[in-house]
Amino acid sequence: EAAVTQSPRNKVAVTGGKVTLSCNQTNNHNNMYWYRQDTGHGLRLIHYSYGAGSTEKGDIPDGYKASRPSQENFSLILELATPSQTSVYFCASGEGTGGNYAEQFFGPGTRLTVL
Amino acid sequence: GDSVTQKEGLVTLTEGLPVMLNCTYQTIYSNAFLFWYVHYLNESPRLLLKSSTDNKRTEHQGFHATLHKSSSSFHLQKSSAQLSDSALYYCALSDLYGSSGNKLIFGIGTLLSVKP
Repeated sequence: EAAVTQSPRNKVAVTGGKVTLSCNQTNNHNNMYWYRQDTGHGLRLIHYSYGAGSTEKGDIPDGYKASRPSQENFSLILELATPSQTSVYFCASGEGTGGNYAEQFFGPGTRLTVL
Repeated sequence: GDSVTQKEGLVTLTEGLPVMLNCTYQTIYSNAFLFWYVHYLNESPRLLLKSSTDNKRTEHQGFHATLHKSSSSFHLQKSSAQLSDSALYYCALSDLYGSSGNKLIFGIGTLLSVKP
């Protein structure tokens, strides 16, 4: 059973529209993360969360919001989508401590195209 | 702040030749934990191997890496490349106390392409 799932898997949006990407994890991990993956940039952290009700800015938060309503769910919200946000988005979960427990478990990704 | 460098964006090899993907890192903390993730096309990125012990070789699925704190390196190696090894490989760093905000610091990734 997949422990981190994402929906939708593919999304086409229009410029200026609102997009919500959803992530669910059954690992019972405290931390969850949103990344985008682009050629030449690798995985870049957008937002992350330490637990229900918390969200923190990652390295590239501009243009994105996040919501963590429960331990299991973490959403990424693009209020006004732009073509520069066309990318593949990955959600991950982790125990949330450092060192050996910093390992993260990734979802299958969402391919977003903004026209 | 902490950083990870993967100098090669693309490595192209002929099947059967040895693989070496470079990873160096920078951190002010002595207790560095290094990870290699592999991302196959149409799959999720997943952990390949990890280490925190200086000068100790760690192996998994035919790949191996040795953390060298003296040179801040954690290069990924394999003796003989297979077509199925074609994937994107990420090196990542954490420190013992999670002072990087409980985050993994990723390099930009190296795309390994193995040709027949």
